[in-house]
Amino acid sequence: SYELTQPPSVSVSPGQTASITCSGDNLGEKFTCWYQQKPGQSPVLVIYQDVKRPSGIPERFFGYSSGNTATLTISGTQAMDEADYYCQAWDSRTKSTVFGTGTKVTVL
Amino acid sequence: QLVESGGGLVQPGGSLRLSCEASGFTLSSYEMNWVRQAPGKGLEWVSYVGRSGSPTYYADSLKGRFSISRDNAKNSLYLQMNSLRAEDTAVYFCARETTGTNSCDFWGQGTLVTVSS
Repeated sequence: SYELTQPPSVSVSPGQTASITCSGDNLGEKFTCWYQQKPGQSPVLVIYQDVKRPSGIPERFFGYSSGNTATLTISGTQAMDEADYYCQAWDSRTKSTVFGTGTKVTVL
Repeated sequence: QLVESGGGLVQPGGSLRLSCEASGFTLSSYEMNWVRQAPGKGLEWVSYVGRSGSPTYYADSLKGRFSISRDNAKNSLYLQMNSLRAEDTAVYFCARETTGTNSCDFWGQGTLVTVSS
């Protein structure tokens, strides 16, 4: 089955840039999206189709994808950005949606 | 708004039917998914259904036990879960997907399913 791997945790100082990677075979050939989930809340879509931001998502969230890795960057990280982040892609071969393992972002 | 219901405590081997009612938008315009999250764990995709009720897709680990369906006239999505196991214990979310995006742009609050004797 298709798998997406993320680092378990990322720490960042307020105002700095956080980068979260998502790795999978030929991921660059698929669309990747990213979700933010805060404790006790439902996931929120922050990036879709690799680079697009839904309405209402701050410009500090930026996504890109190449080769086997997709990356979500948060520039000027704020305390409110502390959350779990999941990447997700659709595997057309197995007709299944796959979520990444998740990354906990801590704003120190 | 997406509101899930039908969760609760069920014994191993039992069945449960989850519902997800949509309001504020026309369900038939969107593809729909069920996603679950076990306590303290990550997100796990469960199932997908197309706008008119087909196609349907399932996570390999669930095939044969779970069935997704929808009633667009009632603006509702369903998940029939049979032969439940302890490892099915999770919060189940319904999530809306805009055609062509392969992403879920709106989620319900989830309903908790606990499988235990």
